[in-house]
Amino acid sequence: GENVEQHPSTLSVQEGDSAVIKCTYSDSASNYFPWYKQELGKRPQLIIDIRSNVGEKKDQRIAVTLNKTAKHFSLHITETQPEDSAVYFCAASSYDKVIFGPGTSLSVIP
Amino acid sequence: DAGVIQSPRHEVTEMGQEVTLRCKPISGHNSLFWYRQTMMRGLELLIYFNNNVPIDDSGMPEDRFSAKMPNASFSTLKIQPSEPRDSAVYFCASTYGGRQETQYFGPGTRLLVL
Repeated sequence: GENVEQHPSTLSVQEGDSAVIKCTYSDSASNYFPWYKQELGKRPQLIIDIRSNVGEKKDQRIAVTLNKTAKHFSLHITETQPEDSAVYFCAASSYDKVIFGPGTSLSVIP
Repeated sequence: DAGVIQSPRHEVTEMGQEVTLRCKPISGHNSLFWYRQTMMRGLELLIYFNNNVPIDDSGMPEDRFSAKMPNASFSTLKIQPSEPRDSAVYFCASTYGGRQETQYFGPGTRLLVL
């Protein structure tokens, strides 16, 4: 079946460094790619998304890049802060399917 | 806007009991999703409703699970009979426009089956 792979599963960075999380999807019909952040004990919340007609999108310290040919997309967080520590989920959506990746646990060390 | 509302927030029950989880989506949203989250299996989609109609229930684990959406502002997920392996956090999420839009998650219901 269709799936979304996400790497790494855990990531530890020093405060101020950059963090990159990568996702690969298999459903070629996918055209919407959101990223959700879930803090401990909280609900997942959207932080950024990208659609298939765009290659890159940026929002302050967060950016997402999409390579439709290779079927992968990445989340980039620059100048990381302790409050960026959370689990990050990617997802790939098409008209008839939405599949979440398994998540990446990001720890930002002060 | 109050966001997606779920109740109860916590539920502790004994094996074999019936459990009913409730969800009120954001007003105006026409799509609703139920998810189950565990450490071992991550975030699993259980069922997806569009305009109150179940569109995809392929993620429902077995016949013990059932979900309804009698109107645009209310949905239930029922487990009968419950088992310890059903212990998880259950999230409800809603969108306007289906699966290719931002999902707004509720606070979740933490279920523990003893």
